[in-house]
Amino acid sequence: DVKVTQSSRYLVKRTGEKVFLECVQDMDHENMFWYRQDPGLGLRLIYFSYDVKMKEKGDIPEGYSVSREKKERFSLILESASTNQTSMYLCASSSGGYGNQPQHFGDGTRLSIL
Amino acid sequence: AQKITQTQPGMFVQEKEAVTLDCTYDTSDQSYGLFWYKQPSSGEMIFLIYQGSYDEQNATEGRYSLNFQKARKSANLVISASQLGDSAMYFCAVFTYGGSNYKLTFGKGTLLTVNP
Repeated sequence: DVKVTQSSRYLVKRTGEKVFLECVQDMDHENMFWYRQDPGLGLRLIYFSYDVKMKEKGDIPEGYSVSREKKERFSLILESASTNQTSMYLCASSSGGYGNQPQHFGDGTRLSIL
Repeated sequence: AQKITQTQPGMFVQEKEAVTLDCTYDTSDQSYGLFWYKQPSSGEMIFLIYQGSYDEQNATEGRYSLNFQKARKSANLVISASQLGDSAMYFCAVFTYGGSNYKLTFGKGTLLTVNP
């Protein structure tokens, strides 16, 4: 079974802090994704990566950056956290190809910015 | 840009009955894929079923089947013999192919409640 592990289930940070959300997958997947999920808005893509050191902006990249130094790890960085970044963050991975492979998700991180 | 519409914010079904969750999509691409995911209250997203735009047969996975009507751009999820554990949020998503920039676009979800 594919395992996608997010470092924290719950996280509380303060406005202005630099926040790191870590995601690790154990299936040698090429593709990794970061989403945020808000009530009534569904899932929205923040950033994704096709390969090590590669990254692409999703629909809502403002205020975020990412890092992928190793194939199995994809980090989401909130450069200066703000209260409107309070949300559920979901990491996912999938194998390569043309995208007909399902994305496998971690359990999510509920981030609160005070 | 892709758009997914799930018109039912909430649905109720009696245990052991079948239920259909609606999904329509809007894409100009000829090649695309459709996914359904389930999200229980615990939060994890669970992949249920996939349908490719060129697949001639409707996809089935156990109690899940996809009623794919390409001309109507509709991909409804049918759950047969509902179980209490099916109570969850269900998301439809469309994937489109396009060079190096592909992505999955999700609908806003339908909350399914299975009553005993």
